[in-house]
Amino acid sequence: DGGITQSPKYLFRKEGQNVTLSCEQNLNHDAMYWYRQDPGQGLRLIYYSQIVNDFQKGDIAEGYSVSREKKESFPLTVTSAQKNPTAFYLCASSAGSLPYGYTFGSGTRLTVV
Amino acid sequence: EDQVTQSPEALRLQEGESSSLNCSYTVSGLRGLFWYRQDPGKGPEFLFTLYSAGEEKEKERLKATLTKKESFLHITAPKPEDSATYLCAVQKGGSYIPTFGRGTSLIVHP
Repeated sequence: DGGITQSPKYLFRKEGQNVTLSCEQNLNHDAMYWYRQDPGQGLRLIYYSQIVNDFQKGDIAEGYSVSREKKESFPLTVTSAQKNPTAFYLCASSAGSLPYGYTFGSGTRLTVV
Repeated sequence: EDQVTQSPEALRLQEGESSSLNCSYTVSGLRGLFWYRQDPGKGPEFLFTLYSAGEEKEKERLKATLTKKESFLHITAPKPEDSATYLCAVQKGGSYIPTFGRGTSLIVHP
């Protein structure tokens, strides 16, 4: 079955360390997105990509980086510059720019230790 | 500024007690309004897209409606398995990115 796979499910980061969250989709979707979810807040957009080798910053891009070298993959790196990285991270994809619903992955919970 | 406000923040129902969740929005040129269901520790699951005022969509015990200012998610005779957080998102014309509300946490007691 087609879908989005996020890994790992749980991730622990030490102070000053960069970590990378994986997101892979086999839906043949053009667009992919990274969101951050904190308790009591709506989903906040970190980065998005509508085509391979191109991506744009979202509302809270500082301290994060992405790449889109393949249509299927959109990894997110949480750098040491992100001072409050503890959150639930969600990857999503959609068929295009029209108002189709997103397909979300199961999420990665990142905790700073 | 575009805003999406969901109410109530939390709702507790008895099994079989029908109710509605509200999503009010202030965006210009609506392209689409989305409803998602999110279970604890999981990613949101797409439910519906509504495109224009007067449109309605149904799925099992859920029915979504849309006006020019708000959308309702009606839950008829809910069951405990309907317990989840329901998210609303709005996409306006000229934008690729929807704005999400904070969600309504629904608990249905047996």
